[in-house]
Amino acid sequence: EAGVAQSPRYKIIEKRQSVAFWCNPISGHATLYWYQQILGQGPKLLIQFQNNGVVDDSQLPKDRFSAERLKGVDSTLKIQPAKLEDSAVYLCASTFGPGDTEAFFGQGTRLTVV
Amino acid sequence: GQQVMQIPQYQHVQEGEDFTTYCNSSTTLSNIQWYKQRPGGHPVFLIQLVKSGEVKKQKRLTFQFGEAKKNSSLHITATQTTDVGTYFCAGNAGNMLTFGGGTRLMVKP
Repeated sequence: EAGVAQSPRYKIIEKRQSVAFWCNPISGHATLYWYQQILGQGPKLLIQFQNNGVVDDSQLPKDRFSAERLKGVDSTLKIQPAKLEDSAVYLCASTFGPGDTEAFFGQGTRLTVV
Repeated sequence: GQQVMQIPQYQHVQEGEDFTTYCNSSTTLSNIQWYKQRPGGHPVFLIQLVKSGEVKKQKRLTFQFGEAKKNSSLHITATQTTDVGTYFCAGNAGNMLTFGGGTRLMVKP
């Protein structure tokens, strides 16, 4: 079974630039999460999708972050414009159901904003 | 919103000593999950607890879910250097999975 795929693995951008991350969850997993993990902290939920609908995006800084999962499969997370404090690892995870089964994580995208 | 707290934040132990990390949620959980993240890696699922008072064991790891389903613990007996990493609990409430801040375990050989 293929795991959760994320790209790119690393990205360095200057502040005020834009960046996009891509995630392809495990086949058949209806729930997809984007987490932000700042160094030394636990993953912080940014947005949760159930199929192509948003379940929760209460912690997504909507003035600069956006995410979509148009066909209910892969997803993109965008930051525009980036700030220094956005430097973090962005983790995508998927589950078969909404939180009642184990979450499978991708390798993450390490973003550095300079 | 839901908050999940973990203590301690860091723990240094000598190889062979025991280790425990504690997790507390601000809300009652439908289940709690534990993950391990090695340095430079991503969180990997260890176990899920669902029932009040549930205790599960995986070799040297013992997981407990509190009676009120608001707290949990992970205990490792006789730590080994391979146990190094950060252990996260993740509480599920309202179909949202919220992670604690993690406990980073360092083991001295």
